[in-house]
Amino acid sequence: DGGITQSPKYLFRKEGQNVTLSCEQNLNHDAMYWYRQDPGQGLRLIYYSQIVNDFQKGDIAEGYSVSREKKESFPLTVTSAQKNPTAFYLCASSPPGQGAYNEQFFGPGTRLTVL
Amino acid sequence: QKEVEQNSGPLSVPEGAIASLNCTYSDRVSQSFFWYRQYSGKSPELIMSIYSNGDKEDGRFTAQLNKASQYVSLLIRDSQPSDSATYLCAVNPNSGYALNFGKGTSLLVTP
Repeated sequence: DGGITQSPKYLFRKEGQNVTLSCEQNLNHDAMYWYRQDPGQGLRLIYYSQIVNDFQKGDIAEGYSVSREKKESFPLTVTSAQKNPTAFYLCASSPPGQGAYNEQFFGPGTRLTVL
Repeated sequence: QKEVEQNSGPLSVPEGAIASLNCTYSDRVSQSFFWYRQYSGKSPELIMSIYSNGDKEDGRFTAQLNKASQYVSLLIRDSQPSDSATYLCAVNPNSGYALNFGKGTSLLVTP
C-alpha cells in the first residue's frame, strides 16, 4: 500500500530531552513538509524539503531540526530549545511536477506531550 | 504575512441541508486553493482542489473560487452527520511550495 507513515502515534517527552519524529512515504513524492497544529489553530509550517539533501525553514523553525538524506524519509527532531513543543505534528508530501498547484497529502500525525 | 481567514463556527446545519463554508485570502497572486476535512484527533484529508475562477464539483462537494474578490467557498449538498468535522482552507501563496492554512471551520450536521 502506498502512503505516508508517521511514528510514533503518541510521544511523551521530558523537559530537556530531544526527540525525533519519523515520517516515511512510498509515493515517490519529491516534496515533504512538517507542520505543527495546536488546539483551535491552523497548521503552521516548520520545515519543508523539495529535494534530497535540501530543506528550508518555515514560519516556526526555531527549536526544530530536520534532515533529508533519502527521498522517502524526512525526520523531525524537536530539541530542548523548543519552549512549547506539546502539539500535534503532521508530515505531508506532494507529487513531483505540480509547481504552484501542489496537492499535499498528510500522514496520520504524531501527538507530542511534554511531561 | 499571508492571511487565510475562516469563520471558526461552529456551523450547524440539519441533515440533508446544504452547508456553505467560506474562506478569504490576502495574497492576490495566489494560484491554487484547497479544502481539507479534519475529523477530531485525525490528520487533514484533501477533499477538493481548485485553480480557476468558477465552480468545481465532485460528488456532493462544490468548490467555488472568485479571485477578484479573493474568496473561495465549499458547498456540501445533502449534508450527512458523517460530514461533521473541521474544514480547513489552504492557499498556495505562490512564494514556494508550502501552503498557508486557515484555522478551520467546525461543521456540525444534526440528524
